[in-house]
Amino acid sequence: DQQVKQNSPSLSVQEGRISILNCDYTNSMFDYFLWYKKYPAEGPTFLISISSIKDKNEDGRFTVFLNKSAKHLSLHIVPSQPGDSAVYFCAAYRGSYGGSQGNLIFGKGTKLSVKP
Amino acid sequence: DSGVTQTPKHLITATGQRVTLRCSPRSGDLSVYWYQQSLDQGLQFLIQYYNGEERAKGNILERFSAQQFPDLHSELNLSSLELGDSALYFCASSGPGGYTFGSGTRLTVV
Repeated sequence: DQQVKQNSPSLSVQEGRISILNCDYTNSMFDYFLWYKKYPAEGPTFLISISSIKDKNEDGRFTVFLNKSAKHLSLHIVPSQPGDSAVYFCAAYRGSYGGSQGNLIFGKGTKLSVKP
Repeated sequence: DSGVTQTPKHLITATGQRVTLRCSPRSGDLSVYWYQQSLDQGLQFLIQYYNGEERAKGNILERFSAQQFPDLHSELNLSSLELGDSALYFCASSGPGGYTFGSGTRLTVV
């Protein structure tokens, strides 16, 4: 049973336009949601996160929206740049317990291509 | 440099063999996590250690085991290797600064 789903394996966007990456989840107990960016042969790098008590978090060109009733979150990148081309993973976890954070549950990723 | 160090970066071995992957967490982080990324798959959680103790288990095969040592580094042992074990293995650590991933070990079983 996949608790975090990214239904679009790939997305192609023109430079300067908006990129919207989507993610759905099934576990209403998740406390935090994160987006990671991954280049080939590198580990995932943290991009942006959102707590389950918020509906929006913004950091520069990146904004994450959370719709708890729909169990859906999205990452908006505006404007998109060719350097944004990478695989983007949505992840979620339950909050801290006993001093340690819960393990991340990942979606399968969406490969974003930003064309010049 | 993320602060999480994984060695080796690449490993090629034959079926039936045993290998050990090593991870040094970011300074100050007590939790270490192991993830497996196979072709066309997301990152699958294998196991978590916190300050030397196993904290959570995910989709880890019985042929695989892990431990975290007093200096907080961790090792993932993979035995009786099969072709399907070929994958990227990532280690992550977490603490007050959040999660940080290492650059991974690419294991190829031939």
